[in-house]
Amino acid sequence: NAGVTQTPKFQVLKTGQSMTLQCAQDMNHEYMSWYRQDPGMGLRLIHYSVGAGITDQGEVPNGYNVSRSTTEDFPLRLLSAAPSQTSVYFCASSYLGYKRGKRETQYFGPGTRLLVL
Amino acid sequence: AQTVTQSQPEMSVQEAETVTLSCTYDTSESDYYLFWYKQPPSRQMILVIRQEAYKQQNATENRFSVNFQKAAKSFSLKISDSQLGDAAMYFCAYRIGNDYKLSFGAGTTVTVRA
Repeated sequence: NAGVTQTPKFQVLKTGQSMTLQCAQDMNHEYMSWYRQDPGMGLRLIHYSVGAGITDQGEVPNGYNVSRSTTEDFPLRLLSAAPSQTSVYFCASSYLGYKRGKRETQYFGPGTRLLVL
Repeated sequence: AQTVTQSQPEMSVQEAETVTLSCTYDTSESDYYLFWYKQPPSRQMILVIRQEAYKQQNATENRFSVNFQKAAKSFSLKISDSQLGDAAMYFCAYRIGNDYKLSFGAGTTVTVRA
């Protein structure tokens, strides 16, 4: 299994540009989520999904869109990039509920570093 | 909203010694989970240890152990016999039992001195 993969690893954008951060997992996990990590603030939840066709907002959703058309993929779209969106973005996934007698563990991707000029 | 507080931005420890990282959380829930994640310079988030709130016994994973004080809402991480590879940022995280959203603390950077 490749686990959780994210592309690109690093991206530079100009203010106002749009882009999509890709996230994919091959573990058949129902739950997927996006976090952003900023210095001194830990990770904050942007959007999450509990299955294909179902998404919901997290703590800091403004300026971001998501969709979940398949179990495997959960792309994050920046509609019009702003310097405040300069951050490191993490995608995470997990099973829902009990699997093999244990509650789920969330697996994180390697992160995408985004710089908005 | 649940909050997780890590009051130590940085900690330094001598190789082979022990270091304890503090974490407090605020919740009115009775069913919840607590985690410690390690983030080395590679930025990969690695689960170190987890604790179910309903369990009274403190979780341990090799050299890592927690001191879970439910009444005090405290969840500290002890790293014993520190190794150079333990140098990283450590995040405390919380989630409610029937919810999968994680709330993270601001992190503690651990430096290991040779």
